[in-house]
Amino acid sequence: GESVGLHLPTLSVQEGDNSIINCAYSNSASDYFIWYKQESGKGPQFIIDIRSNMDKRQGQRVTVLLNKTVKHLSLQIAATQPGDSAVYFCAENLYSGAGSYQLTFGKGTKLSVIP
Amino acid sequence: GAGVSQSPSNKVTEKGKDVELRCDPISGHTALYWYRQRLGQGLEFLIYFQGNSAPDKSGLPSDRFSAERTGESVSTLTIQRTQQEDSAVYLCASSLAYVLAGWGGNTEAFFGQGTRLTVV
Repeated sequence: GESVGLHLPTLSVQEGDNSIINCAYSNSASDYFIWYKQESGKGPQFIIDIRSNMDKRQGQRVTVLLNKTVKHLSLQIAATQPGDSAVYFCAENLYSGAGSYQLTFGKGTKLSVIP
Repeated sequence: GAGVSQSPSNKVTEKGKDVELRCDPISGHTALYWYRQRLGQGLEFLIYFQGNSAPDKSGLPSDRFSAERTGESVSTLTIQRTQQEDSAVYLCASSLAYVLAGWGGNTEAFFGQGTRLTVV
């Protein structure tokens, strides 16, 4: 049957405006977070990461903000371009025992850029 | 190659047939993930391998699904008696996932391009 919970929320943004994509993570013990971008027909690709000892990290046109108090992660894209249209996933890194970590992905947000 | 490789890239099969999907992770990556992605939907976790530890199979949707991995190399995902609802893109990812001096280390996951499975 259909997995209703996996239907993607959509964010529509005018070209040139800033985009903010939000993500709530589940475990306060998670210490590493990643944002991925998935373009149509491709596998997800790394955009930016942040460790739990930081609350902000900037890349080229992208900024990730981490609020550990409310377990919230956001991705800000400055001056959004048509090429930014994609699905964006956040992932949290959680200790899974025996000296290893496991990444858990959020449901994703579809960003549509309006020219 | 330098990236995660999946084969075949596309597979069309008849309902009721078995299929086997292959993933070649990046050399040295101890962790390997399988995900399912239906059209227009998010990533659905299936299974996670980490080194020689017992795999996390909690995401496998039914006993028709199984996966194997030998050591830290190739993994195969097998779907028996395929159903139309199995039609999706199956994505594999690998990463380093170890503890370094009490810190998680670089555990970014790299994805393959996926196998698009169509059950007719």
